[in-house]
Amino acid sequence: DAKTTQPNSMESNEEEPVHLPCNHSTISGTDYIHWYRQLPSQGPEYVIHGLTSNVNNRMASLAIAEDRKSSTLILHRATLRDAAVYYCILSRNYGQNFVFGPGTRLSVLP
Amino acid sequence: GAGVSQSPRYKVAKRGQDVALRCDPISGHVSLFWYQQALGQGPEFLTYFQNEAQLDKSGLPSDRFFAERPEGSVSTLKIQRTQQEDSAVYLCASSKVRTRPYEQYFGPGTRLTVT
Repeated sequence: DAKTTQPNSMESNEEEPVHLPCNHSTISGTDYIHWYRQLPSQGPEYVIHGLTSNVNNRMASLAIAEDRKSSTLILHRATLRDAAVYYCILSRNYGQNFVFGPGTRLSVLP
Repeated sequence: GAGVSQSPRYKVAKRGQDVALRCDPISGHVSLFWYQQALGQGPEFLTYFQNEAQLDKSGLPSDRFFAERPEGSVSTLKIQRTQQEDSAVYLCASSKVRTRPYEQYFGPGTRLTVT
């Protein structure tokens, strides 16, 4: 499985944008990029996914580098409820299990 | 609609006891996954079902771990002769397999503490 690397932790101020980076230099052509987040004492929840093009949804935006070796999850206005561990995951187009790394712990300061 | 539910939410077992953890997936979801999450770590894959068929059990750490999904809906993860290193949160996730790539919906987990 292709591996991802993320910073261990990041901080943001409330109501400011947050850019969470992920490196995946060994990504293959059929790997999708998924982002999940895990709030304290909860299971992970889906945030966004993409293949080649940038993606937007109500929660966030995903910016994918042209060579697909890195991506950035963008939270446009961080709120206190966005404090969580964010995981960047690669999966083949037929799915199956996810390989989670340690993720990035995002702290949001009021 | 109802999400993935897991029971019990917390379980304390004495070393050597057997435990059974239950997962109720979202109705109609074909795929079901079990993950183990140690404190401060990301979830690690244990096993995967498509309907009642266990298609991948490569992540089960030992033969003390056993999972089943006999009718393709509810699943049970059983751990025999629990050890202290089994202490972790056990997460269940389900998904619609026919959507590519598919989103996994996670339950809240069962926190197992082995004393």
